Amino acid sequence: DQQVKQNSPSLSVQEGRISILNCDYTNSMFDYFLWYKKYPAEGPTFLISISSIKDKNEDGRFTVFLNKSAKHLSLHIVPSQPGDSAVYFCAASAKSSGDKLTFGTGTRLAVRP
Amino acid sequence: NAGVTQTPKFRILKIGQSMTLQCTQDMNHNYMYWYRQDPGMGLKLIYYSVGAGITDKGEVPNGYNVSRSTTEDFPLRLELAAPSQTSVYFCASISRPGASGYTFGSGTRLTVV
Repeated sequence: DQQVKQNSPSLSVQEGRISILNCDYTNSMFDYFLWYKKYPAEGPTFLISISSIKDKNEDGRFTVFLNKSAKHLSLHIVPSQPGDSAVYFCAASAKSSGDKLTFGTGTRLAVRP
Repeated sequence: NAGVTQTPKFRILKIGQSMTLQCTQDMNHNYMYWYRQDPGMGLKLIYYSVGAGITDKGEVPNGYNVSRSTTEDFPLRLELAAPSQTSVYFCASISRPGASGYTFGSGTRLTVV
C-alpha cells in the first residue's frame, strides 16, 4: 500500500520556467511533509518541509504548498535552473508513528538550458 | 563535518554470504535509520534507532539485523544474502524528529549474485 504517491515519474521544463512537482498521500495521520533532492550516486538532501498547520512554506526559489483536504502537496521551483535537474522525493511522517518518514517513488526533473 | 559516512560504496556478494554495512555520523544525533531503495521505488525503512542500545524494525526488516552500541555507529548486518537484497542502502540521522530533515549518507550499492 503506497501511502505517499508521486504519479509523474519524470518532468521536463525549460530553464527559467516554473517546475511543479506533485505528491499525494493517503494517510490522514501524516502531519509533517518534506521534499528531498537526489543526484546520481549521492544520498538524498533535504530541500524544504511543511507542517500540517500551514498551507505554504517558502525558501528562496522553492515553495511547498499543502492542501490537506485533498491530501495533496506540491513543490514549485521558480525559476528553474539546469542545476535543479535531479530526482525529487516527497516524504511524510506522523507523530503517532514516531515521526518515521514514508517516501514517494520520486520524480525525475530535467531542466533544459 | 563529515556528516553521515557509509562504507563500502559498492559491494558484490554471492548468495548465502554475509556482510556488514557500516554507518557513522559525527553530529551526535540520537536518531539513526537504514533505508533501501530499489529501482523506480521510494526509500523503504529497514531498521531505526532512537539512541544507543535501542533499535526497532521498520517496514522491511527481514534478512537484516542492526546494533547500536554507540551514538555514532549504526551498522546493518546482512545474513545469508539473497538476490532480493540487491539494492542501494542509505543510512540517515537526525537530532530529533521534526527537525529540518534527515542527513543521509551517500549510499552503498549492493549486488547479490
